[in-house]
Amino acid sequence: EIVLTQSPGTLSLSPGERATLSCRASQSVRSSYLAWYQQKPGQAPRLLIYGASSRPTGIPDRFSGSGSGTDFTLTISRLEPEDFAVYYCQQYGSSPLTFGGGTKVEIK
Amino acid sequence: QVQLQESGPGLVKPSETLSLTCTVSGGSISIFYWTWIRQPPGKGLEWIGHIFYTGSTDYNPSLKSRVTISVDTSKNQFSLTLSSVTAADTAVYYCARDVGARGFDFWGQGTLITVSS
Repeated sequence: EIVLTQSPGTLSLSPGERATLSCRASQSVRSSYLAWYQQKPGQAPRLLIYGASSRPTGIPDRFSGSGSGTDFTLTISRLEPEDFAVYYCQQYGSSPLTFGGGTKVEIK
Repeated sequence: QVQLQESGPGLVKPSETLSLTCTVSGGSISIFYWTWIRQPPGKGLEWIGHIFYTGSTDYNPSLKSRVTISVDTSKNQFSLTLSSVTAADTAVYYCARDVGARGFDFWGQGTLITVSS
């Protein structure tokens, strides 16, 4: 099973600042099958990034993903008020599919 | 726009079987994979398993002995059963569409299942 470790656990930032979230895998993620999800309280997760760096239709371009192998990054270029949430990475290249423990982005 | 809606009992007694159904609207279930994920209160996400419309399944080994996922293409629904539940199975259960290389793109709103006597 691939274990995903996200850091930091909590990120305290102000609107307008840049957020950099890390996801490290215990072994290489096949074909960069790495996704990022955003979850707000009481809501289902929302897909932000798939294939490590691709954005689905409708996701703002301030969200970007990068990385390969075992190290991946989600960057939010300028935080908007609606971006304060919990972010999860997920690998879907190997079974069982696994999620990281999450990074909470909170208002400073 | 594809929509998913979970339905289930809300409360299940310890040692009994949890049964949930996910109804898919706005698109056919006869394409892609369909998946179940759960989230204990205040904790992270756990993949339970998924099914292809042909009936092919894959389960998380941590739950495999207790889980069955099935599909009913005539009703555009897929279902989850989890046997011998304990308090540790208390969670919000989500269904989602698994589009393979493009991740889980549509999710249900989730349903809270509490295991308690």
